[in-house]
Amino acid sequence: EAQVTQNPRYLITVTGKKLTVTCSQNMNHEYMSWYRQDPGLGLRQIYYSMNVEVTDKGDVPEGYKVSRKEKRNFPLILESPSPNQTSLYFCASAFSSGTSTGELFFGEGSRLTVL
Amino acid sequence: SQQGEEDPQALSIQEGENATMNCSYKTSINNLQWYRQNSGRGLVHLILIRSNEREKHSGRLRVTLDTSKKSSSLLITASRAADTASYFCATDRKIKAAGNKLTFGGGTRVLVKP
Repeated sequence: EAQVTQNPRYLITVTGKKLTVTCSQNMNHEYMSWYRQDPGLGLRQIYYSMNVEVTDKGDVPEGYKVSRKEKRNFPLILESPSPNQTSLYFCASAFSSGTSTGELFFGEGSRLTVL
Repeated sequence: SQQGEEDPQALSIQEGENATMNCSYKTSINNLQWYRQNSGRGLVHLILIRSNEREKHSGRLRVTLDTSKKSSSLLITASRAADTASYFCATDRKIKAAGNKLTFGGGTRVLVKP
């Protein structure tokens, strides 16, 4: 079954404690992206990756890191989480021809609370 | 501000009525996509319309694209209570020689009353 898998789905942590949210897709997609969703602010892009070893900042990259060492995985790292990073996070992937991005497939989301 | 912005922010209709929502954007695009999200769940792709297309249909959904006005509309005909969700447009645009970016608008919350 084609899917994007995020873990953990729910996490409560404390300020400053490094955490990683994993994302894996089994569709051989080139394009992967992380979004955060906050009430009234829609989906804001954190980082995206056009392919292996190619990552770019989205609209709200501060406080986050990513890596793309393998095509299927795109982890999101919060080196020193702060309460303003409390949010619902989505990972998504798509085929990308280099000239356009196709349909995005989304994970189920990771709800993160930073105390 | 965001590349894509939906209008209205919220919409309440009776079952059986049509629902129309609009998306405006600022720069030229490769394609425009519409997604649906049920509360707190992952988004689900509905329709992709390319910049050289003007209209697309999928079941009860109809999407139009007017590149001269930089706007798109999503029409849901004969709405059902199960159509209650948030709907987002996303614009795919070229940002550099070998890169595209897909950016979402703020969404339209649709409530279909039985």
